[in-house]
Amino acid sequence: EVQLVESGGGLVQPGGSLKLSCAASGFTFSGSAMHWVRQASGKGLEWVGRIRSKANSYATAYAASVKGRFTISRDDSKNTAYLQMNSLKTEDTAVYYCICSYGFYFDYWGQGTLVTVSS
Amino acid sequence: QSALTQPASVSGSPGQSITISCTGTSSDVGGYNYVSWYQQHPGKAPKLMIYDVSNRPSGVSNRFSGSKSGNTASLTISGLQAEDEADYYCSSYTSSSTQVFGGGTKLTVL
Repeated sequence: EVQLVESGGGLVQPGGSLKLSCAASGFTFSGSAMHWVRQASGKGLEWVGRIRSKANSYATAYAASVKGRFTISRDDSKNTAYLQMNSLKTEDTAVYYCICSYGFYFDYWGQGTLVTVSS
Repeated sequence: QSALTQPASVSGSPGQSITISCTGTSSDVGGYNYVSWYQQHPGKAPKLMIYDVSNRPSGVSNRFSGSKSGNTASLTISGLQAEDEADYYCSSYTSSSTQVFGGGTKLTVL
């Protein structure tokens, strides 16, 4: 059974940093791309970014709204993906989902972790 | 990258069919056969329903189907059931090698 478990969410002040983790099991982690998608309360889904597999040079891409502030990485030896978030803004407040992907779609989703940016 | 355009809400009675549209541009929906659809019930994570325009993952009911014409993709749900009431989102790969979602459509089963 595929499992994706996000952790690291919480309350952070504007301008602060937070690092989310996504522990994966039940599938070939090293062969999949990993994405992060967020959803503000009562709002729609917003793609944040992704990191491809080693075979695809660990290529990353980001949404314009987070580019330069967020960094996605992965550790295939630990079956874990990360989302480093810096210079956080109040508008970054959302539930953050990690997702595994073998194509141009989002196969399996974690349950999400809440990030609240507030003073 | 602007969000894809979906109707805010659609509704239908049990047993009927409904269609949700998803309009983009030639840089996303129209340029690639990489449109996918997701179902999200309140308080739950989204679930993949359709990928690559018209393919259903294993376990998804054949009442769900997808199609595309030009810059607009569509999700059709036939034989509506109460459990289909949820939010639905489309997504597309883009020419910038990113992904973009639609704004979401709330489906109400009357």
